[in-house]
Amino acid sequence: AQSVTQPDIHITVSEGASLELRCNYSYGATPYLFWYVQSPGQGLQLLLKYFSGDTLVQGIKGFEAEFKRSQSSFNLRKPSVHWSDAAEYFCAVGARGGSEKLVFGKGTKLTVNP
Amino acid sequence: DAGVIQSPRHEVTEMGQEVTLRCKPISGHDYLFWYRQTMMRGLELLIYFNNNVPIDDSGMPEDRFSAKMPNASFSTLKIQPSEPRDSAVYFCASSLGDRPYFNYGYTFGSGTRLTVV
Repeated sequence: AQSVTQPDIHITVSEGASLELRCNYSYGATPYLFWYVQSPGQGLQLLLKYFSGDTLVQGIKGFEAEFKRSQSSFNLRKPSVHWSDAAEYFCAVGARGGSEKLVFGKGTKLTVNP
Repeated sequence: DAGVIQSPRHEVTEMGQEVTLRCKPISGHDYLFWYRQTMMRGLELLIYFNNNVPIDDSGMPEDRFSAKMPNASFSTLKIQPSEPRDSAVYFCASSLGDRPYFNYGYTFGSGTRLTVV
Protein backbone atom coordinates (compact mmCIF):
# COMPACT_ATOMS: atom_id res chain seq x y z
CA ALA A 1 0.00 0.00 0.00
CA GLN A 2 1.12 3.53 -0.65
CA SER A 3 2.12 5.99 2.08
CA VAL A 4 3.19 9.61 2.37
CA THR A 5 5.50 11.40 4.78
CA GLN A 6 5.65 15.13 5.23
CA PRO A 7 8.63 15.64 7.55
CA ASP A 8 7.84 19.23 8.52
CA ILE A 9 4.81 19.81 10.71
CA HIS A 10 5.16 23.58 10.73
CA ILE A 11 7.20 26.01 8.62
CA THR A 12 7.50 29.76 9.01
CA VAL A 13 8.77 32.01 6.23
CA SER A 14 8.85 35.72 5.61
CA GLU A 15 6.71 37.25 2.94
CA GLY A 16 8.67 37.38 -0.32
CA ALA A 17 10.95 34.53 0.66
CA SER A 18 11.13 31.27 -1.26
CA LEU A 19 9.37 28.16 -0.02
CA GLU A 20 9.96 24.44 -0.27
CA LEU A 21 7.68 21.90 1.41
CA ARG A 22 8.91 18.34 1.51
CA CYS A 23 7.02 15.20 0.62
CA ASN A 24 8.29 11.63 0.47
CA TYR A 25 6.19 8.74 -0.71
CA SER A 26 6.34 5.00 -0.57
CA TYR A 27 4.93 2.99 -3.45
CA GLY A 28 6.16 0.08 -5.53
CA ALA A 29 5.74 1.79 -8.89
CA THR A 30 5.44 5.30 -10.24
CA PRO A 31 2.54 6.81 -8.33
CA TYR A 32 0.11 9.56 -8.99
CA LEU A 33 1.11 12.52 -6.82
CA PHE A 34 -0.85 15.53 -5.65
CA TRP A 35 -0.54 18.63 -3.53
CA TYR A 36 -3.60 20.10 -1.85
CA VAL A 37 -3.98 23.27 0.20
CA GLN A 38 -6.40 23.82 3.07
CA SER A 39 -7.24 27.30 4.28
CA PRO A 40 -8.67 27.62 7.80
CA GLY A 41 -12.22 26.32 8.01
CA GLN A 42 -12.19 25.18 4.41
CA GLY A 43 -11.95 21.94 2.49
CA LEU A 44 -8.91 20.93 0.52
CA GLN A 45 -8.18 22.49 -2.84
CA LEU A 46 -6.05 20.85 -5.51
CA LEU A 47 -2.84 22.78 -6.24
CA LEU A 48 -1.18 20.48 -8.75
CA LYS A 49 -0.71 16.87 -9.78
CA TYR A 50 1.81 14.57 -11.40
CA PHE A 51 0.97 11.55 -13.51
CA SER A 52 3.84 11.07 -15.96
CA GLY A 53 6.11 12.92 -18.34
CA ASP A 54 7.81 16.16 -17.36
CA THR A 55 8.90 15.80 -13.75
CA LEU A 56 8.42 19.52 -13.03
CA VAL A 57 4.75 20.37 -12.83
CA GLN A 58 3.13 23.75 -12.54
CA GLY A 59 0.08 24.42 -10.46
CA ILE A 60 -2.21 27.21 -9.44
CA LYS A 61 -1.20 30.23 -7.36
CA GLY A 62 2.38 30.14 -8.65
CA PHE A 63 3.29 26.79 -7.10
CA GLU A 64 5.35 24.08 -8.73
CA ALA A 65 6.53 20.64 -7.68
CA GLU A 66 9.23 18.31 -8.85
CA PHE A 67 8.99 14.55 -8.94
CA LYS A 68 12.30 12.83 -8.17
CA ARG A 69 12.04 9.09 -8.53
CA SER A 70 15.50 8.42 -7.10
CA GLN A 71 14.56 10.21 -3.89
CA SER A 72 10.88 9.16 -3.80
CA SER A 73 10.08 12.81 -3.36
CA PHE A 74 7.59 15.33 -4.66
CA ASN A 75 8.53 18.65 -3.06
CA LEU A 76 6.40 21.74 -3.45
CA ARG A 77 8.04 25.08 -4.20
CA LYS A 78 7.19 28.70 -4.65
CA PRO A 79 9.78 31.39 -5.45
CA SER A 80 8.13 34.22 -3.52
CA VAL A 81 5.56 33.61 -0.80
CA HIS A 82 2.59 35.90 -0.25
CA TRP A 83 0.79 36.38 3.05
CA SER A 84 -2.28 34.73 1.52
CA ASP A 85 -0.32 31.49 1.12
CA ALA A 86 -0.57 30.85 4.86
CA ALA A 87 -2.47 27.57 5.09
CA GLU A 88 -1.93 23.87 5.57
CA TYR A 89 -0.50 21.87 2.70
CA PHE A 90 -1.08 18.20 2.07
CA CYS A 91 0.79 15.83 -0.19
CA ALA A 92 -1.15 12.80 -1.44
CA VAL A 93 -0.35 9.66 -3.38
CA GLY A 94 -2.61 7.47 -5.48
CA ALA A 95 -1.97 4.01 -6.84
CA ARG A 96 -2.00 3.26 -10.56
CA GLY A 97 -4.82 0.90 -11.33
CA GLY A 98 -7.12 -0.70 -8.83
CA SER A 99 -8.26 1.43 -5.91
CA GLU A 100 -9.17 5.00 -6.63
CA LYS A 101 -8.39 6.25 -3.15
CA LEU A 102 -5.74 8.80 -2.25
CA VAL A 103 -3.53 8.54 0.81
CA PHE A 104 -2.66 11.87 2.39
CA GLY A 105 0.29 12.99 4.44
CA LYS A 106 -0.33 14.63 7.80
CA GLY A 107 0.20 18.07 6.40
CA THR A 108 2.59 21.00 6.81
CA LYS A 109 1.26 24.19 8.31
CA LEU A 110 2.74 27.30 6.70
CA THR A 111 2.96 30.58 8.58
CA VAL A 112 3.95 33.71 6.66
CA ASN A 113 5.51 36.60 8.57
CA PRO A 114 5.10 40.14 7.23
CA ASP B 1 -21.78 24.07 -9.84
CA ALA B 2 -22.16 24.57 -6.11
CA GLY B 3 -19.44 22.08 -5.33
CA VAL B 4 -19.62 19.35 -2.73
CA ILE B 5 -22.11 20.36 -0.06
CA GLN B 6 -21.90 19.10 3.50
CA SER B 7 -24.27 19.66 6.36
CA PRO B 8 -24.24 20.65 9.07
CA ARG B 9 -21.07 22.77 9.23
CA HIS B 10 -20.85 22.34 12.98
CA GLU B 11 -22.39 19.75 15.26
CA VAL B 12 -22.16 19.56 19.02
CA THR B 13 -23.70 16.54 20.65
CA GLU B 14 -23.62 14.66 23.89
CA MET B 15 -21.91 11.34 24.29
CA GLY B 16 -24.24 8.48 23.45
CA GLN B 17 -26.33 10.42 20.98
CA GLU B 18 -26.73 9.54 17.33
CA VAL B 19 -25.08 11.86 14.83
CA THR B 20 -25.78 12.01 11.09
CA LEU B 21 -23.55 13.88 8.68
CA ARG B 22 -24.74 14.60 5.17
CA CYS B 23 -23.07 15.08 1.81
CA LYS B 24 -24.23 16.06 -1.65
CA PRO B 25 -21.54 15.34 -4.25
CA ILE B 26 -21.01 17.20 -7.49
CA SER B 27 -23.55 16.19 -10.08
CA GLY B 28 -22.08 13.60 -12.45
CA HIS B 29 -19.32 12.49 -10.12
CA ASP B 30 -19.38 8.75 -9.58
CA TYR B 31 -16.98 8.44 -6.66
CA LEU B 32 -17.67 9.67 -3.14
CA PHE B 33 -15.23 9.59 -0.24
CA TRP B 34 -15.60 10.19 3.49
CA TYR B 35 -12.49 11.36 5.35
CA ARG B 36 -11.92 12.20 8.98
CA GLN B 37 -9.33 14.80 10.03
CA THR B 38 -7.78 14.98 13.47
CA MET B 39 -4.60 16.55 14.78
CA MET B 40 -3.19 13.21 15.81
CA ARG B 41 -3.98 11.10 12.76
CA GLY B 42 -4.34 13.64 9.97
CA LEU B 43 -6.68 12.78 7.11
CA GLU B 44 -7.99 9.24 7.26
CA LEU B 45 -10.13 7.65 4.59
CA LEU B 46 -13.16 6.08 6.22
CA ILE B 47 -15.07 4.71 3.25
CA TYR B 48 -15.62 5.33 -0.42
CA PHE B 49 -18.40 4.59 -2.89
CA ASN B 50 -18.47 4.06 -6.63
CA ASN B 51 -21.82 4.44 -8.34
CA ASN B 52 -23.49 4.40 -4.91
CA VAL B 53 -21.91 1.07 -3.95
CA PRO B 54 -19.47 0.92 -1.02
CA ILE B 55 -16.10 -0.22 -2.35
CA ASP B 56 -13.75 0.02 0.60
CA ASP B 57 -14.89 0.52 4.18
CA SER B 58 -11.71 -0.71 5.81
CA GLY B 59 -11.14 2.69 7.37
CA MET B 60 -14.40 2.74 9.30
CA PRO B 61 -13.16 2.64 12.89
CA GLU B 62 -15.91 0.67 14.58
CA ASP B 63 -19.37 -0.73 14.14
CA ARG B 64 -20.65 2.51 15.59
CA PHE B 65 -19.91 4.10 12.23
CA SER B 66 -22.04 3.45 9.17
CA ALA B 67 -22.34 5.12 5.79
CA LYS B 68 -24.94 4.95 3.07
CA MET B 69 -25.40 6.32 -0.40
CA PRO B 70 -29.03 5.76 -1.37
CA ASN B 71 -28.65 7.65 -4.65
CA ALA B 72 -26.08 9.48 -6.72
CA SER B 73 -26.76 12.83 -5.10
CA PHE B 74 -26.75 12.01 -1.40
CA SER B 75 -24.68 10.22 1.21
CA THR B 76 -24.79 10.00 4.99
CA LEU B 77 -22.27 9.08 7.64
CA LYS B 78 -23.85 8.02 10.91
CA ILE B 79 -22.27 7.54 14.31
CA GLN B 80 -24.34 5.71 16.89
CA PRO B 81 -23.62 6.02 19.75
CA SER B 82 -21.18 8.91 19.57
CA GLU B 83 -18.15 9.19 21.86
CA PRO B 84 -15.83 12.11 22.68
CA ARG B 85 -13.01 10.50 20.68
CA ASP B 86 -15.15 10.85 17.56
CA SER B 87 -14.64 14.61 17.73
CA ALA B 88 -13.03 15.62 14.44
CA VAL B 89 -13.67 17.34 11.14
CA TYR B 90 -15.38 15.03 8.68
CA PHE B 91 -14.89 15.72 5.00
CA CYS B 92 -16.77 14.44 2.03
CA ALA B 93 -15.14 14.50 -1.40
CA SER B 94 -16.27 13.45 -4.84
CA SER B 95 -14.53 12.73 -8.11
CA LEU B 96 -15.11 11.57 -11.62
CA GLY B 97 -13.87 8.03 -12.15
CA ASP B 98 -12.17 6.16 -14.96
CA ARG B 99 -8.95 7.60 -16.22
CA PRO B 100 -10.20 11.20 -16.23
CA TYR B 101 -10.41 10.81 -12.47
CA PHE B 102 -6.85 11.82 -11.97
CA ASN B 103 -7.28 14.80 -14.22
CA TYR B 104 -9.68 16.24 -11.70
CA GLY B 105 -8.39 15.02 -8.38
CA TYR B 106 -10.92 15.18 -5.60
CA THR B 107 -13.31 18.03 -4.90
CA PHE B 108 -13.76 18.44 -1.17
CA GLY B 109 -16.64 19.86 0.78
CA SER B 110 -16.05 22.37 3.56
CA GLY B 111 -16.37 19.70 6.22
CA THR B 112 -18.46 19.13 9.32
CA ARG B 113 -16.79 19.90 12.62
CA LEU B 114 -18.14 17.40 15.14
CA THR B 115 -17.73 17.90 18.86
CA VAL B 116 -18.93 15.17 21.21
CA VAL B 117 -19.08 16.25 24.84
